[in-house]
Amino acid sequence: AQSVTQLDSQVPVFEEAPVELRCNYSSSVSVYLFWYVQYPNQGLQLLLKYLSGSTLVKGINGFEAEFNKSQTSFHLRKPSVHISDTAEYFCAVTVMFSGGYNKLIFGAGTRLAVHP
Amino acid sequence: NAGVTQTPKFRVLKTGQSMTLLCAQDMNHEYMYWYRQDPGMGLRLIHYSVGEGTTAKGEVPDGYNVSRLKKQNFLLGLESAAPSQTSVYFCASSSTLYSSGQYNEQFFGPGTRLTVL
Repeated sequence: AQSVTQLDSQVPVFEEAPVELRCNYSSSVSVYLFWYVQYPNQGLQLLLKYLSGSTLVKGINGFEAEFNKSQTSFHLRKPSVHISDTAEYFCAVTVMFSGGYNKLIFGAGTRLAVHP
Repeated sequence: NAGVTQTPKFRVLKTGQSMTLLCAQDMNHEYMYWYRQDPGMGLRLIHYSVGEGTTAKGEVPDGYNVSRLKKQNFLLGLESAAPSQTSVYFCASSSTLYSSGQYNEQFFGPGTRLTVL
């Protein structure tokens, strides 16, 4: 069965420091990978996605992620975080089924807390 | 273009009461989904729909029913609410068109916070 593991439930970091949020997935079929961000009391917003092509994907707000097929990972990085990046981040994988149907499987989330 | 909207934003129910959550999207998406979000568990898929008149069970369908009578609307019903259904509910929709540039990207509504006493 497909699954997504976010290795850290909470990541505290100081402002302007770099951050990496780790995500591993398990799947024996082709996948599409996503990172979503959820600010307090809001819905989910897409940060970036990997469908195909370059394994380094750039998203909004200065975030980027690298797809590593051999390690089945899709870690999210930002070189310098801001207070406004404090939020919960979800890694997700779309798994395709026969007939073109797909499902999105989410990790449990990583809460990023940026401190001044 | 409002995207995905959800009604209501908040609701408090007593055990055994029923209610319907409404999700509407104006992006002409084929797929629609209902998730629940609980602390430490991420989002779990309740039911989904791949087109008008078609629905399917997700990971946690028990205690919920859905209907997709119109392409733009996806309703989630709780026939007899239980405290275990206290959660934040999110609706999402996605396009099946690879050429759209948004293939498989799910767009989320703002959520409905439901408390069952």
